[in-house]
Amino acid sequence: EAGVAQSPRYKIIEKRQSVAFWCNPISGHATLYWYQQILGQGPKLLIQFQNNGVVDDSQLPKDRFSAERLKGVDSTLKIQPAKLEDSAVYLCASSYRAGASYNEQFFGPGTRLTVL
Amino acid sequence: AQSVSQHNHHVILSEAASLELGCNYSYGGTVNLFWYVQYPGQHLQLLLKYFSGDPLVKGIKGFEAEFIKSKFSFNLRKPSVQWSDTAEYFCAVRGLNDYKLSFGAGTTVTVRA
Repeated sequence: EAGVAQSPRYKIIEKRQSVAFWCNPISGHATLYWYQQILGQGPKLLIQFQNNGVVDDSQLPKDRFSAERLKGVDSTLKIQPAKLEDSAVYLCASSYRAGASYNEQFFGPGTRLTVL
Repeated sequence: AQSVSQHNHHVILSEAASLELGCNYSYGGTVNLFWYVQYPGQHLQLLLKYFSGDPLVKGIKGFEAEFIKSKFSFNLRKPSVQWSDTAEYFCAVRGLNDYKLSFGAGTTVTVRA
């Protein structure tokens, strides 16, 4: 079965520019997650979707970050405007559904963002 | 809020040596525990998980982990490492109240041939 797809794999922008990342989860997975992984740290959850609704966005910096999951499949994460501290790898993950203890999250390859 | 602490930032060892990576967590409730691995150039993948039952769990590639509830620990072990075990290893905890997955900072393991 195909895994979680993300694009682009790498992105370099200057501060104050905007950027968008795309994620296509595993077919049939209702739950989608976006994580931010700063160098030397573990992934940190930014936002979680259940189908096309937001379950948890408590750690999303909403003044500059936004995310959507139209039609409950693909998702985009946007940063506008970007800051130097946004340099990180942005990971997308999906699971069959949330709220079940046996659920495993499957991760995509990530997008490495460098803000200059 | 839950937190996860991994004891070692970088571990270097020779092939056939034994490996043990420490992981401690803080959470005021029942948890699920995970170890993820990221091989160079690859994405995060699940190594093993603990939900309930036998506190000694076995995962892929000869890895195992032991959950010690009294110590809030979930240490990862492998009796004899191979060069291909070179990777970054992440411990993660999910509380059953909110199902949010929290990761440790990771441990980079370098195995010398």
